[in-house]
Amino acid sequence: DGGITQSPKYLFRKEGQNVTLSCEQNLNHDAMYWYRQDPGQGLRLIYYSQIVNDFQKGDIAEGYSVSREKKESFPLTVTSAQKNPTAFYLCASSHQGSGASSYEQYFGPGTRLTVT
Amino acid sequence: AQSVAQPEDQVNVAEGNPLTVKCTYSVSGNPYLFWYVQYPNRGLQFLLKYITGDNLVKGSYGFEAEFNKSQTSFHLKKPSALVSDSALYFCAVRDRGNYGQNFVFGPGTRLSVLP
Repeated sequence: DGGITQSPKYLFRKEGQNVTLSCEQNLNHDAMYWYRQDPGQGLRLIYYSQIVNDFQKGDIAEGYSVSREKKESFPLTVTSAQKNPTAFYLCASSHQGSGASSYEQYFGPGTRLTVT
Repeated sequence: AQSVAQPEDQVNVAEGNPLTVKCTYSVSGNPYLFWYVQYPNRGLQFLLKYITGDNLVKGSYGFEAEFNKSQTSFHLKKPSALVSDSALYFCAVRDRGNYGQNFVFGPGTRLSVLP
């Protein structure tokens, strides 16, 4: 999990509340990503950012929002509009340049969000 | 569009036996290919990647994978499985010709190594 931190590890919220998940990296990576993982499922891309102050929607962006004010930080807000927010959320980062060491993603430890 | 298939939801193998976890992909150009492993309630850990060059790539924990362009496959292998290898394995692809394209992950294969 080195270099990327996500907090908290477990998060509990009541339905109708917005909640923000933290993701910080010290790898000097340009790109950052948020994925959602449901039990027994693969990863689905929520949002990604290739550079500070810019981000794009992924496959399942509805009900989520992000910001990228600093290179190191990419917080994800799960809004009350997200119909099924209970899931495991993973943050990742990667270089965007060229070179053989540039392309793999590095993942944080994840945040398990439970909304009741 | 890019896609990744992992045809087996579950692979069971006895400890000490060789293991294979299958992956096939589809991209419009030439691929970058990756394998990751996930242990319960943890993030994904990078195992290995194919960028260019030798079709057989070696990675962490004794794993290796073979890139086969004609079959569009990138199967993960290990000569002798350990119980501690039991985990969820993800194959991922990125189109090297499309700078803005993102990683696409397969659905995952659960590996169980039986003692």
